[in-house]
Amino acid sequence: QTVVTQEPSLTVSPGGTVTLTCASSTGAVTSGYYPNWFQQKPGQAPRALIYSTSNKHSWTPARFSGSLLGGKAALTLSGVQPEDEAEYYCLLYYGGALWVFGGGTKLTVL
Amino acid sequence: QVQLVQSGAEVKKPGASVKVSCKASGYTFTSYYMHWVRQAPGQGLEWMGIINPSGGSTSYAQKFQGRVTMTRDTSTSTVYMELSSLRSEDTAVYYCARGPYGSSSGFDYWGQGTLVTVSS
Repeated sequence: QTVVTQEPSLTVSPGGTVTLTCASSTGAVTSGYYPNWFQQKPGQAPRALIYSTSNKHSWTPARFSGSLLGGKAALTLSGVQPEDEAEYYCLLYYGGALWVFGGGTKLTVL
Repeated sequence: QVQLVQSGAEVKKPGASVKVSCKASGYTFTSYYMHWVRQAPGQGLEWMGIINPSGGSTSYAQKFQGRVTMTRDTSTSTVYMELSSLRSEDTAVYYCARGPYGSSSGFDYWGQGTLVTVSS
């Protein structure tokens, strides 16, 4: 059973910087896992932010960036805004069309 | 503009089946794979499977093998997800999402979600 692990919760001050990570039970996350990141606010469908580790969609704010960090996929928010308070999910590819979501990180802006 | 519009909420009894639809518009339907993802109340996202709208081939998460069937109708640009032998744990919001088979292309557009409630 493949498990993808994220921090359950993080808190950041407005204007600050925070990094969310995404680890795989199978070992180091590499670019071949094509990490995707999503933002979800209560009562809404998820919104895609990052794909293939570090690529942004046309609608992704510049303050969001993706990378690989210490064997994990990472999502960094720089200059956090109050509207960034949300749940964030990563998604990794395991081959054979199999994708697995992380458990999500609840980001609080306080 | 790309839109994925899903069917309305459903209430089903345990043991029944449910079929959720996702109608695509604003792009070439057969050029992009479609995924199904669900989210139980207060829980995280769970990937269920993928369908190729071009040929109809599918791949399902092991957890749903034998209970889920994904199909498509190219004449109406609609994909369907049918889940059978429903139990209370299947109560969730079901989403369709456009995304890759397994490549550097990204997941991008999502449907609005369909709430399926399983209750006796």
